[in-house]
Amino acid sequence: DVKVTQSSRYLVKRTGEKVFLECVQDMDHENMFWYRQDPGLGLRLIYFSYDVKMKEKGDIPEGYSVSREKKERFSLILESASTNQTSMYLCASRPPGPIVGELFFGEGSRLTVL
Amino acid sequence: KQEVTQIPAALSVPEGENLVLNCSFTDSAIYNLQWFRQDPGKGLTSLLLIQSSQREQTSGRLNASLDKSSGRSTLYIAASQPGDSATYLCAVRPGETSGSRLTFGEGTQLTVNP
Repeated sequence: DVKVTQSSRYLVKRTGEKVFLECVQDMDHENMFWYRQDPGLGLRLIYFSYDVKMKEKGDIPEGYSVSREKKERFSLILESASTNQTSMYLCASRPPGPIVGELFFGEGSRLTVL
Repeated sequence: KQEVTQIPAALSVPEGENLVLNCSFTDSAIYNLQWFRQDPGKGLTSLLLIQSSQREQTSGRLNASLDKSSGRSTLYIAASQPGDSATYLCAVRPGETSGSRLTFGEGTQLTVNP
């Protein structure tokens, strides 16, 4: 069965802290994504990666960075957390190219920044 | 820019009713469309994916249709059950390249009453 695992379901951090959100997939997918989901704004793409060490900015990359050192792991980093980054963060992966291309999500990480 | 709209935003039905959820998109040049289910506080679970060359897909009590020319997709749920209560989101993918980004609707929150 397909599995995308996010390391933390719930986190509470203070303003200015550095935050790491980890995502691991076991499907050997090239493509991995980080979204945030907020009421009234829907899902917004932060960053994505289509290969190891490759990354592309999404629609709202400001205040975030990512790391993809291994194919199965895609990390989202908040260098200095702010209260407006309180949100639900969702990681997803997808097989490449013209294959069916279904997107698989993790369970989400609810981050609260105080 | 692609826009995806889901109407209604919320729907409440009695158990056993057949129902239709709607998804419309402004740019008909899509590669595929995917329907997801999201339970409160959880990630998204893929339900059905329709390629642009297909008209419909079925899985159990779910049937998704796609009319690319009119920019519409519907998700039909037969004989609804309380366990179907969740938010249903649709997402369109513009192309088959690795960098093609999904655009999500904001979802329809479905409540099935016993």
